[in-house]
Amino acid sequence: AQSVTQLGSHVSVSEGALVLLRCNYSSSVPPYLFWYVQYPNQGLQLLLKYTSAATLVKGINGFEAEFKKSETSFHLTKPSAHMSDAAEYFCAVSEGETSGSRLTFGEGTQLTVNP
Amino acid sequence: ETGVTQTPRHLVMGMTNKKSLKCEQHLGHNAMYWYKQSAKKPLELMFVYNFKEQTENNSVPSRFSPECPNSSHLFLHLHTLQPEDSALYLCASSPGQGGPHTQYFGPGTRLTVL
Repeated sequence: AQSVTQLGSHVSVSEGALVLLRCNYSSSVPPYLFWYVQYPNQGLQLLLKYTSAATLVKGINGFEAEFKKSETSFHLTKPSAHMSDAAEYFCAVSEGETSGSRLTFGEGTQLTVNP
Repeated sequence: ETGVTQTPRHLVMGMTNKKSLKCEQHLGHNAMYWYKQSAKKPLELMFVYNFKEQTENNSVPSRFSPECPNSSHLFLHLHTLQPEDSALYLCASSPGQGGPHTQYFGPGTRLTVL
């Protein structure tokens, strides 16, 4: 069975500071990993995904994430936070071919960006 | 219109009402999903359809009844709901089996049950 843990339900950073949102996964097979963002009153939008190619994945809006198998982690980072980054972020795992597109989501991390 | 659309965006209903949520995708995908998003809980997968056939039902109460007439449309029929069913209901689509494919989400329907 697959699962996702997002450490920290709320993260607050200053504008211009580094953003680090943590995600650890559990999977019985090589996983595929996703980060989605949800702005208020909207659905989820894909930020980036890891599908067993390069371990450092670049996404939209300046975000990137690094797959670390030894740490079972897929943390999301952005060098410099912008006010528009304030949103909820979800990490998700799929067990690849065996589960088709079935995703298991973490509980989400609410990012606040302070001026 | 592109992407995944959901109607209505907001719905208030009494416990004895019957209503339906609609989802439409314009992406040519073959799989569609219903999720429930409640405050302070992870997204809960409710139903999965592949090529119009239901392939997953995650122990959802029978007061929620999905319908998928074709690969582009997905409905969620609601009847005799409870206040705890108030949540954001999200629809998603993906290309289909043989993933892992990215799921594309609609904006959701905010449901309030009085």
